[in-house]
Amino acid sequence: KNQVEQSPQSLIILEGKNCTLQCNYTVSPFSNLRWYKQDTGRGPVSLTIMTFSENTKSNGRYTATLDADTKQSSLHITASQLSDSASYICVVSGTGGYNKLIFGAGTRLAVHP
Amino acid sequence: DAGVTQSPTHLIKTRGQQVTLRCSPISGHKSVSWYQQVLGQGPQFIFQYYEKEERGRGNFPDRFSARQFPNYSSELNVNALLLGDSALYLCASSLELSHPFSGANVLTFGAGSRLTVL
Repeated sequence: KNQVEQSPQSLIILEGKNCTLQCNYTVSPFSNLRWYKQDTGRGPVSLTIMTFSENTKSNGRYTATLDADTKQSSLHITASQLSDSASYICVVSGTGGYNKLIFGAGTRLAVHP
Repeated sequence: DAGVTQSPTHLIKTRGQQVTLRCSPISGHKSVSWYQQVLGQGPQFIFQYYEKEERGRGNFPDRFSARQFPNYSSELNVNALLLGDSALYLCASSLELSHPFSGANVLTFGAGSRLTVL
């Protein structure tokens, strides 16, 4: 069964600290993986996308890694800011169009001053 | 430049009623997809439309239907509402029908319509 599991479910960190969010997937065949940020009451916004051949990709203070062999991805946030407080959703795409988009439940991050 | 707009933002219905949600894609985007996001979970794919035709459907009952208009806007209809239909309904648009995560085919979400069924 195609699944995407994220951990931790929720996380509280202090402003300025770093954190790493995890995503494990069993989607096969694999096409690509994207991390989205979803603020409360808003739609998800794409942070980064990674294909099978990419190991690391950065977007400002966000760095995503992908290990296609172990089917694991991580999102590392550096020097966290209060505005980073949001849910971070991992989305894995198999082949075959929209029906193959598998969303994780998300990690809810709270950054405290 | 307007992004994906959805209406209404919030609505309350009772069991058995019907609801229509609306979505206007980014200008120039021809593909619209709908997602249901239950509190605490990730979005679940409902429908994808391109050029007014249904191109994909998720595992949802026939009470859910949708359509796309010539201007590429879309409506999602849900009949005979159940308590379990309470959720955030997200619309996303993209340029083309090709795979949603292909290079230039960015999937852009609207802010959603929050439906509460009492």
